Amino acid sequence: GAGVSQSPSNKVTEKGKDVELRCDPISGHTALYWYRQSLGQGLEFLIYFQGNSAPDKSGLPSDRFSAERTGGSVSTLTIQRTQQEDSAVYLCASSLDTEGYTFGSGTRLTVV
Amino acid sequence: AQTVTQSQPEMSVQEAETVTLSCTYDTSESDYYLFWYKQPPSRQMILVIRQEAYKQQNATENRFSVNFQKAAKSFSLKISDSQLGDAAMYFCACDSNSGYALNFGKGTSLLVTP
Repeated sequence: GAGVSQSPSNKVTEKGKDVELRCDPISGHTALYWYRQSLGQGLEFLIYFQGNSAPDKSGLPSDRFSAERTGGSVSTLTIQRTQQEDSAVYLCASSLDTEGYTFGSGTRLTVV
Repeated sequence: AQTVTQSQPEMSVQEAETVTLSCTYDTSESDYYLFWYKQPPSRQMILVIRQEAYKQQNATENRFSVNFQKAAKSFSLKISDSQLGDAAMYFCACDSNSGYALNFGKGTSLLVTP
């Protein structure tokens, strides 16, 4: 597609439930990134995929967080047993080389 | 490790005036890239301007320009002829040549007054 597409746009979930957030990057972009943006904060790096290489998971805050990227394209970020502190905007970006990262509009997750 | 610091949580500028947003960074890389992103209330992160560290010349994009001081590790953004549509959060970011994830500052909220 023309841009990075994220779904859902907004998600409200009950504490303890699992959620899946989806990111569809720009076609041909080899790198894909997930970031978390808490209220009034900057962007916190979560995970990075580059081509067929093993992902860099160093930013994942706990083992409740996981992500996969199927066929080098669509990525899913899964949060298990959600907690209230997981409430944030989750942003996905894709890039080709270092010409600039194109971001999606994010998913606003609210855990109640 | 890389750190990016934006020391101005909020800035205000009058329409048509010029404003400068500050950013300092720390990196051990010799080759890297620096970015300014704009985030309006829509949440969409929009690339404003990009600078490659090995280039001496400051990047410019229409009303947006940077003052890149490599030795001081400073990368400020100047917005000329400010417009109401420039109101947004502005984030400075640093990227290493290895293509790893961008490291962001905490952002500066820019208010543009008529």
